[in-house]
Amino acid sequence: QKEVEQNSGPLSVPEGAIASLNCTYSDRGSQSFFWYRQYSGKSPELIMFIYSNGDKEDGRFTAQLNKASQYVSLLIRDSQPSDSATYLCAAPPGGGTSYGKLTFGQGTILTVHP
Amino acid sequence: KAGVTQTPRYLIKTRGQQVTLSCSPISGHRSVSWYQQTPGQGLQFLFEYFSETQRNKGNFPGRFSGRQFSNSRSEMNVSTLELGDSALYLCASSLGVGGGDTQYFGPGTRLTVL
Repeated sequence: QKEVEQNSGPLSVPEGAIASLNCTYSDRGSQSFFWYRQYSGKSPELIMFIYSNGDKEDGRFTAQLNKASQYVSLLIRDSQPSDSATYLCAAPPGGGTSYGKLTFGQGTILTVHP
Repeated sequence: KAGVTQTPRYLIKTRGQQVTLSCSPISGHRSVSWYQQTPGQGLQFLFEYFSETQRNKGNFPGRFSGRQFSNSRSEMNVSTLELGDSALYLCASSLGVGGGDTQYFGPGTRLTVL
């Protein structure tokens, strides 16, 4: 089992719809979770991070964390064609050896069509 | 505040050569992490440096090495290049104060090994 897994996608949604991206993790010691967006040919760009159970909203983006179920999600409301990218879920390993290390999921490709 | 910078942006080398990549972190950030991104393996952690010391290391052979200077700038070296080393090499900087620090990525160096 991979440490961080994302729904394989690709995910295609119409413009204006809600895109839902999901991620599960196996290390119960992980305390923080990150969502990055990566456009083709570019480097990952931080969208949001979440530490606490529940929802965290930032503009059109909402991150949801459920530590009991080891589940993280990202909702994008009012999806725009400019949101079309690969979305990466990441978490540091638990315990005391996680300095500077993020474990990434394989990414979900999102396409928003007009 | 200026972002993470990486040089060079593109490199073409032949098998057996060695290469050095450079990364300058965001001002005030003392941690630099290096990642390799390939289509097959995704984003994989190479190592992390903080205050000129390697604090964490991923599962890569000893041909991959790095160092950090007193101004937090970091270099990564790959010796005896193999075809499989062709990848996008990303560095990320963070404050380095905890295991779950937010990391900000540079634009990457695209390495092609022929």
